[in-house]
Amino acid sequence: RKEVEQDPGPFNVPEGATVAFNCTYSNSASQSFFWYRQDCRKEPKLLMSVYSSGNEDGRFTAQLNRASQYISLLIRDSKLSDSATYLCVVNPTGGYNKLIFGAGTRLAVHP
Amino acid sequence: GAVVSQHPSWVICKSGTSVKIECRSLDFQATTMFWYRQFPKQSLMLMATSNEGSKATYEQGVEKDKFLINHASLTLSTLTVTSAHPEDSSFYICSARVAGQGYNEQFFGPGTRLTVL
Repeated sequence: RKEVEQDPGPFNVPEGATVAFNCTYSNSASQSFFWYRQDCRKEPKLLMSVYSSGNEDGRFTAQLNRASQYISLLIRDSKLSDSATYLCVVNPTGGYNKLIFGAGTRLAVHP
Repeated sequence: GAVVSQHPSWVICKSGTSVKIECRSLDFQATTMFWYRQFPKQSLMLMATSNEGSKATYEQGVEKDKFLINHASLTLSTLTVTSAHPEDSSFYICSARVAGQGYNEQFFGPGTRLTVL
């Protein structure tokens, strides 16, 4: 079983749509969680951290369910510029800041 | 701030040659740098953790004699792919962690695309 699993997509949505991505992780002791965005042939960039209480940044909302070992990202009012691959990332306990990346979910927003 | 550069951005080489990739933190000191590899449509896989002034820690399955890492200063780490073969063709990305802080964001370099013929 992969340490971090994501639906690869692609998710094809029209502008203005709301889209949700899910992610599960296998290490129940993991402490830190993130969503990164990666554009084609580019490096990943931090989109947002994910906190147990849930957090929101503009159109983006991240949630964490520790009991189910499940992380989600909700994007509201999708823009063309949101088209990218979204990576679910986990920092396992004791990993000395080691990050475990999911394979990513590809989002394509069309006019 | 927190810019990480990599050089070269892409390289094509013949099988059997060695390739050196540099990772630099431009405006901060990085005690720890990480090297990742990403094959097409796959996730970034951590290859090794590079600590300034000490030996790198390699992930399981990564050959330390093939992927030589040197972290000689707080702003530079290098990855040398020795005797490269076509299966080493990949996107190599480094990241750097700011010195003196607890867990925080890792800043990624723009990556190096290696093609071995």
